[in-house]
Amino acid sequence: SYELTQPPSVSVSPGQTARITCSGDALPKKSAYWYQQKSGQAPVLVIYEDTKRPSGIPERFFGSTSGTMATLTISGAQVEDEADYYCYSTDSSGNSYVFGTGTKVTVL
Amino acid sequence: QVQLVESGGGVVQPGRSLRLSCAASGFAFDSYGMHWVRQAPGKGLEWVAVIWYDGRNKYYADSVKGRFTISRDNSKNTLDLQMNSLRAEDTALYYCATNIVVVGGNVFDLWGQGTMVTVSS
Repeated sequence: SYELTQPPSVSVSPGQTARITCSGDALPKKSAYWYQQKSGQAPVLVIYEDTKRPSGIPERFFGSTSGTMATLTISGAQVEDEADYYCYSTDSSGNSYVFGTGTKVTVL
Repeated sequence: QVQLVESGGGVVQPGRSLRLSCAASGFAFDSYGMHWVRQAPGKGLEWVAVIWYDGRNKYYADSVKGRFTISRDNSKNTLDLQMNSLRAEDTALYYCATNIVVVGGNVFDLWGQGTMVTVSS
């Protein structure tokens, strides 16, 4: 079955840049989405269609793609950005969805 | 109020069945594909199943294929998940969620708060 691979953890100091990668064979053809999940809460969409930011999401969240890799960048990370982040996409058929393995972002 | 509210979770023995429901309100439910997503305690998100807006097509994760059935009733704005032959590894918080839809530059993505399923003897 299709998989999206992320690093288990990323740690940065406040104000630094955090980068989270997501690797998947179908990403050159299928859009990537990014969710933020804080402890005890439902996931919140922070990036859709590779690079777009929903209204209400701070401009420091930036999405990009290159080949089989999608990247979520948090420029000038804040303490409130501490959370688990998941990429999300579909396999090449578009009928099977998958979440990435998840990345815990620590800002301290 | 725009929301999704899951119900039906609980403790069930291995091999038994359980039916989850998700009640939608405040938006055009019959225009959206719907997903079930689960999260085992302390683990990541796992996609479970999707059903198209009209119920014509349904797709499942390999881990639940043949045991779980997703369905919807657009007249009642409800989404269901029938779970049979439950296993310990099905223990998780189950979320219902809309398919991500982009219209006119705006994105719609709605999640419920989840209902907990525990499979244990």
